[in-house]
This record gives sequence, C-alpha cells and structure tokens, in this order.
Amino acid sequence: DSGVTQTPKHLITATGQRVTLRCSPRSGDLSVYWYQQSLDQGLQFLIQYYNGEERAKGNILERFSAQQFPDLHSELNLSSLELGDSALYFCASSVGEVPGTEAFFGQGTRLTVV
Amino acid sequence: AQTVTQSQPEMSVQEAETVTLSCTYDTSESDYYLFWYKQPPSRQMILVIRQEAYKQQNATENRFSVNFQKAAKSFSLKISDSQLGDAAMYFCAYRSAEGAQKLVFGQGTRLTINP
Repeated sequence: DSGVTQTPKHLITATGQRVTLRCSPRSGDLSVYWYQQSLDQGLQFLIQYYNGEERAKGNILERFSAQQFPDLHSELNLSSLELGDSALYFCASSVGEVPGTEAFFGQGTRLTVV
Repeated sequence: AQTVTQSQPEMSVQEAETVTLSCTYDTSESDYYLFWYKQPPSRQMILVIRQEAYKQQNATENRFSVNFQKAAKSFSLKISDSQLGDAAMYFCAYRSAEGAQKLVFGQGTRLTINP
C-alpha cells in the first residue's frame, strides 16, 4: 500500500458527461501529480499541484481541470467526455519539490467512456 | 523536451535466470534522476530502483541493479534470479533535477517469467 488513495477505482460513463476523480496523498506529502495511462499514448503527465497551487502543466486538455484543496486532497475534473478519454488515471504524491524524491502512486481510476 | 525510449516491447526469461531491460533517454540537462517502475496486473506503479545522474556508482536493490551510462544516455535494468512475481510491465522514467518534478516515462516493456 503506497498510502495514496484514489476513488473511485472504476468509472463507466457516457460520452458528453462530466466526472470527478479524487486523490488523497500520503500523509505529509504536499505535491500531487496526475498522469493518464492510455494504450496509444502511454503514461503522460497531466498536471502538478504543490500545497494548493498549480506548479506544472503537461498535455492536459482544456476539457480537463484539477485543483488541490486546503486538506491537500486533489480532484481531477473531466468534462465533455469522449471515447478517447478512456484510460487509467493515476495520482501520485511526493513530499515536496525536493529533486529526486520518490513519487508514490495510487492504484489508479479506470475510466471507461461508452 | 526530454524523451525516454524503451526499445523492447516484450521480454521473457526463465525463472531463476537473469534478464536485462533496455532504456535510453534524451536530454540536454546535466543533472537529473532516472527510475524504473514496475506495474504488475494489479496496476499499481511500484518504484523498483532510482539513480541520481551525478552518481557514478550504479544503483542496486537486492536482485535489481542498473547499468547507468551517462555519456551514452543509457539506463538498463538487470533482474537477477528472476521470480514469477517479477512478471509485470516495467517503465523507465526520467525526472529533471530542477523545475517541474514530473516524470517522463518510456513506453514500457512487458516481462514474462517462464516457470
């Protein structure tokens, strides 16, 4: 158990819908990262938050947004869903912005858009 | 931008034998970190081993070791005495020492262990 909790584990929804994925980082970790794992794109970095503030953005679509709350949990919002958004979405957390510190991954949320 | 390449989509090895997974990367940075992550069927991403680019000594964790060739931008993973539980997808990943702390992943190598 990495200590990073993601809910839900599985999500099936229809095209055009909006969903929210939730992540609780390890106790004491201030940084949260979101990654998307799809068959054709592999593992792609989406966005990073540190202590409530956005720190870095990757190839995140405009239909996607995220935030980190004062209690440090994070949510990834996916809207106007398309079939191609079906993927495994990972959250990871690390202590802070110290280079090289290990990122611990949650078990992921499997999103299926039908 | 940094890129990571794993040229072996699939590998297989007999139980108790040794296998080496390849990884190359491209970067203009001099300081960075390299990682190998394991993803078993449970989907959990598990850190296997980490290498700091400024260290010349290759990292070792029990049966797992790396061959880090900085000039060649190569970072291979050697698994000794392979066990059935080693069967998984293995991802090589790069992280800058400065700026964004994101991980840049390779496409992965699926490792099968034959009993």
